[in-house]
Amino acid sequence: GAVVSQHPSRVICKSGTSVKIECRSLDFQATTMFWYRQFPKQSLMLMATSNEGSKATYEQGVEKDKFLINHASLTLSTLTVTSAHPEDSSFYICSAKLPGAGTEAFFGQGTRLTVV
Amino acid sequence: AQSVTQLGSHVSVSEGALVLLRCNYSSSVPPYLFWYVQYPNQGLQLLLKYTSAATLVKGINGFEAEFKKSETSFHLTKPSAHMSDAAEYFCAVSDPGNTPLVFGKGTRLSVIA
Repeated sequence: GAVVSQHPSRVICKSGTSVKIECRSLDFQATTMFWYRQFPKQSLMLMATSNEGSKATYEQGVEKDKFLINHASLTLSTLTVTSAHPEDSSFYICSAKLPGAGTEAFFGQGTRLTVV
Repeated sequence: AQSVTQLGSHVSVSEGALVLLRCNYSSSVPPYLFWYVQYPNQGLQLLLKYTSAATLVKGINGFEAEFKKSETSFHLTKPSAHMSDAAEYFCAVSDPGNTPLVFGKGTRLSVIA
């Protein structure tokens, strides 16, 4: 199957700083990537859809100025958590689909963000 | 809008017993349905998928699921649970094409020795 790589797997940062998370499709081109957030013992909540070469589409209630998404190439999307606060601490996961209808999504390993 | 409902946030079975994790879907169009497994602090791994071909879908690690349109269900089963099956399981639905998956709330499976 296709491989999606996410980096870093864990990051601890201080309140007020920014953190960048990278999501790469290693063996296919992804015009669209999806970013999810997962709270402990909860499901995945879609944050935004990242589109190569254009602006991301954010879900209702997600602050676009706090969660900056850039999809500059067909294999890389980045999520930057700006001015992080402890409530931003969470597990962030990216995914991408192979081109074509009905295909499954491939997921990165996830990033555990802890803001102290 | 599409959605899935997973019945039971936690299921506990004995090693060697049948595993049954329930998922019901809501969709106005023929759905694409998936089951994923998540181990702690890891991403999601696809177990199996239904994309309107055979209604009985076989996946990895001995899991299978049956699509029942009349019941709007896509339950996940495994004849004999193994300790390594202990994890979080998510049912998901998607539109065709490059659209995101919508996940159920997840079911945590515990396997007792």
